[in-house]
Amino acid sequence: SQTIHQWPATLVQPVGSPLSLECTVEGTSNPNLYWYRQAAGRGLQLLFYSVGIGQISSEVPQNLSASRPQDRQFILSSKKLLLSDSGFYLCAWSATAGVPGANVLTFGAGSRLTVL
Amino acid sequence: AQTVTQSQPEMSVQEAETVTLSCTYDTSESDYYLFWYKQPPSRQMILVIRQEAYKQQNATENRFSVNFQKAAKSFSLKISDSQLGDAAMYFCAYRSAGTSGTYKYIFGTGTRLKVLA
Repeated sequence: SQTIHQWPATLVQPVGSPLSLECTVEGTSNPNLYWYRQAAGRGLQLLFYSVGIGQISSEVPQNLSASRPQDRQFILSSKKLLLSDSGFYLCAWSATAGVPGANVLTFGAGSRLTVL
Repeated sequence: AQTVTQSQPEMSVQEAETVTLSCTYDTSESDYYLFWYKQPPSRQMILVIRQEAYKQQNATENRFSVNFQKAAKSFSLKISDSQLGDAAMYFCAYRSAGTSGTYKYIFGTGTRLKVLA
């Protein structure tokens, strides 16, 4: 079966520090990978998605970047955090068409980031 | 661009009663998927139900069912026999089913459901 792991679960960082959130998926190949942010009291904002290694689509120009160095690994980064980067970050995956997990989004447990 | 709107920020229901959460969406596409996700206090996002736009029959999953009105672009979730464990934030979501490479899942702002004992 497929599983998704996301870490760290909680992170408290000072303004101006770097960020790295990591997400890996097991039990499938060539998944579509996503990063969402959920600000307090708000919905899910799509930040990045990737359909393959090295292929990253950015939805919201901002202080964050994403990378996909391996097929099932997706990393969210920042060189210098801002106060406004605080929030709950969710990694998710979806299989490509025709395989189990296609056409549905499965989420990791999330990472709560507090920037002070 | 596609949008998803949930106009009810918060709803309450008495335990064992039925509640309906509303969702509307905007798209020019004819083939797509619609979803309801549940986010309990643990914040783990859980798929509740999925509807494929080409299917006229409304999807059901145990106590959860949808009313899919394609022409009206409406996709409401009905929860029957509400239980305390149904208390959560519920998100409506849309995804294109086309082959254009658009794999984005677009979410609404959510409806917080409270279940009263």
